[in-house]
Amino acid sequence: NAGVTQTPKFQVLKTGQSMTLQCAQDMNHNSMYWYRQDPGMGLRLIYYSASEGTTDKGEVPNGYNVSRLNKREFSLRLESAAPSQTSVYFCASSGGRAGYNEQFFGPGTRLTVL
Amino acid sequence: AQSVTQLGSHVSVSEGALVLLRCNYSSSVPPYLFWYVQYPNQGLQLLLKYTTGATLVKGINGFEAEFKKSETSFHLTKPSAHMSDAAEYFCAVSDQDGGFKTIFGAGTRLFVKA
Repeated sequence: NAGVTQTPKFQVLKTGQSMTLQCAQDMNHNSMYWYRQDPGMGLRLIYYSASEGTTDKGEVPNGYNVSRLNKREFSLRLESAAPSQTSVYFCASSGGRAGYNEQFFGPGTRLTVL
Repeated sequence: AQSVTQLGSHVSVSEGALVLLRCNYSSSVPPYLFWYVQYPNQGLQLLLKYTTGATLVKGINGFEAEFKKSETSFHLTKPSAHMSDAAEYFCAVSDQDGGFKTIFGAGTRLFVKA
């Protein structure tokens, strides 16, 4: 049982490049989330997917898109990266016996945009 | 709207001393409250949570927190700090409808001195 996995672990992009961050969970959770973590600001929700087939904007969605590929996978895409998107990105999931409010986090992707 | 305030971005204690990390919240509905811990270069993991019932909640690694509705607080304590407790701690609040409305505090980094 791997929990929540994220790829890649590290990435360096140039301004204007695009990339997709991958996330998968094996806990049969219905809900999945993408957050960004910046120093002194805690975690801010970018997008979430309450269930397979649905996605919604969170607090800071500008510059990002998401795809809920199936129940297990939820990807985050940066179409044209900007230095302001330098951050640590976390994927999380919730549901099942723990309930929808307790979230399980992946190890993060550290992204630098030059 | 919900919000979370963690008092003190950094807290330093000596090994064996009491750990007290402060969290105040605001919520217009009965909240669910959480403490998560993040070790260096890792994702967040749940320490403890309050949903309903007993207001004193015990978590992993000897931590506990007390929900005080009158003070809108959910402070985290541990009687005796250990070097392995050095990490960043996040308080979070959500309403009872779903995890996608979880708001995280800015985090408190705990340092433990030998």
